[in-house]
Amino acid sequence: AQTVTQSQPEMSVQEAETVTLSCTYDTSESDYYLFWYKQPPSRQMILVIRQEAYKQQNATENRFSVNFQKAAKSFSLKISDSQLGDAAMYFCAYRPYTDKLIFGTGTRLQVFP
Amino acid sequence: EAGVAQSPRYKIIEKRQSVAFWCNPISGHATLYWYQQILGQGPKLLIQFQNNGVVDDSQLPKDRFSAERLKGVDSTLKIQPAKLEDSAVYLCASSLDYREGIEAFFGQGTRLTVV
Repeated sequence: AQTVTQSQPEMSVQEAETVTLSCTYDTSESDYYLFWYKQPPSRQMILVIRQEAYKQQNATENRFSVNFQKAAKSFSLKISDSQLGDAAMYFCAYRPYTDKLIFGTGTRLQVFP
Repeated sequence: EAGVAQSPRYKIIEKRQSVAFWCNPISGHATLYWYQQILGQGPKLLIQFQNNGVVDDSQLPKDRFSAERLKGVDSTLKIQPAKLEDSAVYLCASSLDYREGIEAFFGQGTRLTVV
């Protein structure tokens, strides 16, 4: 079965510091996509970053970067220079090329001034 | 570009009543998804449409849930009759075409409370 595991229900970070959110997944597929979504209290899921499994280079979007370890089936998100607006639920998601998006259970990130 | 629109934002109903949610995807998006997000969990796919055809409804409780996407644009999700365990946020999302690997864009969801 394809599953996504986020082992950290809650994380906290001080403003301007760096935090890493963990994600592991289970699959027998070789080609797939991985995503990190942010869900603020408004409930709208916002795409933070995505990674194609065939790419060895880790994706980066401004202050957000991933550490993609395909053999270990690990996909962590690093947030640098954390801001108050980064506080939200973060969901890791996995998607085979033509199949449905599967989400993890989420990590609640708190940012303290 | 307008995003995915959903209505209503909130709905409270009694168990055994019926309810319907509406979704208007981003213009031109062929793929539309309905997700159920129970408190404390990640979203779970209920049904996926490609234009007006169903791609995946394997996790849709068909005895009480139904969905349609007339003319391949707007979609409605209905629950009849509702149970207490249906209390959740219902998220609609759309993408250009799921076969192309384009990410999905989500609406703000409808929070359903069944009492």
